[in-house]
Amino acid sequence: DAGVIQSPRHEVTEMGQEVTLRCKPISGHNSLFWYRQTMMRGLELLIYFNNNVPIDDSGMPEDRFSAKMPNASFSTLKIQPSEPRDSAVYFCASSLRFGQTSYGYTFGSGTRLTVV
Amino acid sequence: SQELEQSPQSLIVQEGKNLTINCTSSKTLYGLYWYKQKYGEGLIFLMMLQKGGEEKSHEKITAKLDEKKQQSSLHITASQPSHAGIYLCGADGRTSGTYKYIFGTGTRLKVLA
Repeated sequence: DAGVIQSPRHEVTEMGQEVTLRCKPISGHNSLFWYRQTMMRGLELLIYFNNNVPIDDSGMPEDRFSAKMPNASFSTLKIQPSEPRDSAVYFCASSLRFGQTSYGYTFGSGTRLTVV
Repeated sequence: SQELEQSPQSLIVQEGKNLTINCTSSKTLYGLYWYKQKYGEGLIFLMMLQKGGEEKSHEKITAKLDEKKQQSSLHITASQPSHAGIYLCGADGRTSGTYKYIFGTGTRLKVLA
């Protein structure tokens, strides 16, 4: 398995532009997570899906952020409009959850977003 | 809500020295995971602990989960520069009735050659 695949690896965009980050989870995993990491705030959970359904989006900063998971093999995180403070590394992760426990929790390599 | 606290926040050790990183939860942990990361890169899974009193080792890294399943420690023996990075503990936690995967605040390790 190729692991969790994120694209693009790097994105530089101008303030006000729309940004779309993509994630392909590991085949067979039923949970998908989007995280944001900055030096100041560390690793923050933005939203997670279970069986393609958003379970908890309380970590999404504001309405400019939206996430979708149209099927079990693909998810997007969109920022519209983007702002310089959105600059961070965005990680996607997937796992297989049975009851209370997650198995095979795997992170993608991340997308480094710079908004200028 | 359940939180994970790590200590210390940062650590600088001389190569060859032993060190310990702690992860403490406010509630019982159902699964405790240790990761290593270089900033801006993906997290690398190290170990998973589930049972109270469980201990696992991989090369020079040993992780333990206490009997009450609220505290875990990560111990590195004879540290090397390759051990440098950010160590994060993660856990399956429960917040407001839903299960959520949470992370500790991280410990930044630097090993001096």
